[in-house]
Amino acid sequence: AIQMTQSPSFLSASVGDRVTINCRASEGIRSNLGWYRQKPGKAPELLIYAASTLHSGVPSRFSGSGSGADFTLTISSLQPEDFATYYCLQDYDYPWTFGQGTKVEVK
Amino acid sequence: QVQLVQSGAELKKPGASVKISCKASGYNFITYYIHWVRRAPGQGLEWMGIINPSGSTATYAQKFQGRVTMTTDTSTSTVNLELSSLRSEDTAVYYCARWTYYFDLWGQGTLVTVSS
Repeated sequence: AIQMTQSPSFLSASVGDRVTINCRASEGIRSNLGWYRQKPGKAPELLIYAASTLHSGVPSRFSGSGSGADFTLTISSLQPEDFATYYCLQDYDYPWTFGQGTKVEVK
Repeated sequence: QVQLVQSGAELKKPGASVKISCKASGYNFITYYIHWVRRAPGQGLEWMGIINPSGSTATYAQKFQGRVTMTTDTSTSTVNLELSSLRSEDTAVYYCARWTYYFDLWGQGTLVTVSS
């Protein structure tokens, strides 16, 4: 199974900060990667798909980059609703696998 | 309204089985594959498997092989997840999600608690 190593696991930040989250795949997955945000008690919601395509309706402060094995999610200016947990997901090969998650907390 | 609505919370004893339903509405049910994902307390998201509603063919994560069964009922636009031989580690919120090059639609989640 492809392992997704996500970093950092926790991140303390303030409103307005620029935040970067990374995911590394144990083997190449082309651009078959999505980023999801999950707020407490809610289902995950899609932010980015195909590594760098912003999902419809998602604010432009979110961006994704990378291909092959290394990927990055960037939030250019953190907003109050962005304090949540973020996951990457590879859909290149079964079993699909998520990163361990990054919890973004208030500094 | 396009949505996935899941069945309610379940409390089960170790060794028992649980069946969770996910009812689709507002779109052509057989057009999109459905996946199941769970999140245990204090843990991250975990992919469990996928089912093709039109043919009922399923692929499961090896971790759950032998314990999980995913089925569909096209007459009611419902996908079911059955997990057997439950143990405490199966306590989690279970989500169904629709796939269309990404997960664009999720159920609200079903809490399954396994406790004696």
